[in-house]
Amino acid sequence: EDKVVQSPLSLVVHEGDTVTLNCSYEVTNFRSLLWYKQEKKAPTFLFMLTSSGIEKKSGRLSSILDKKELFSILNITATQTGDSAVYLCAVEGGNKLVFGAGTILRVKS
Amino acid sequence: EPEVTQTPSHQVTQMGQEVILRCVPISNHLYFYWYRQILGQKVEFLVSFYNNEISEKSEIFDDQFSVERPDGSNFTLKIRSTKLEDSAMYFCASGFKSLNTEAFFGQGTRLTVV
Repeated sequence: EDKVVQSPLSLVVHEGDTVTLNCSYEVTNFRSLLWYKQEKKAPTFLFMLTSSGIEKKSGRLSSILDKKELFSILNITATQTGDSAVYLCAVEGGNKLVFGAGTILRVKS
Repeated sequence: EPEVTQTPSHQVTQMGQEVILRCVPISNHLYFYWYRQILGQKVEFLVSFYNNEISEKSEIFDDQFSVERPDGSNFTLKIRSTKLEDSAMYFCASGFKSLNTEAFFGQGTRLTVV
């Protein structure tokens, strides 16, 4: 059965801290791994990763994929209160996305 | 910026009734999806649709569910004989060429079955 596991389940940090969110997966017919941010409703796209070892970066967020170890991390540096959200990892296998349960991040001012 | 539009944003229905959730995908997209998220739980895949037919469906997507693209723009999810456990947020998503590009999600329809 396809599986995506995220850790930690939740995290509380102070503004300015750096956080690392983890995602491990076992998905047949792996095509890509995606990170989403979910605040109130729809997940909004952050990154798509297809190749191992190549870091994707967008401002204070970055992500990398290890296809050998079946693992990805999402880093957020200099966190802000606006980063508070649920961060979802999803793996594309076949014609669908398999989602993890998410990491709830709360950034305190 | 193009977006996936879902209507209604919230629907309350009585157990046993049929509901139709509507989605307008991004206009040049070819792949369409429905996902659901029960409150406090994971986002779960329901069905993918391409070239006017279902390309993959999950175990959740049983005979109670059906999808349709009735015209060139709408993509609907019909749930027959709704049950309390169908209460969830239903997300439509679309993509240009399978999901090997970012998937665009709509804002969701919150379905409450009472």
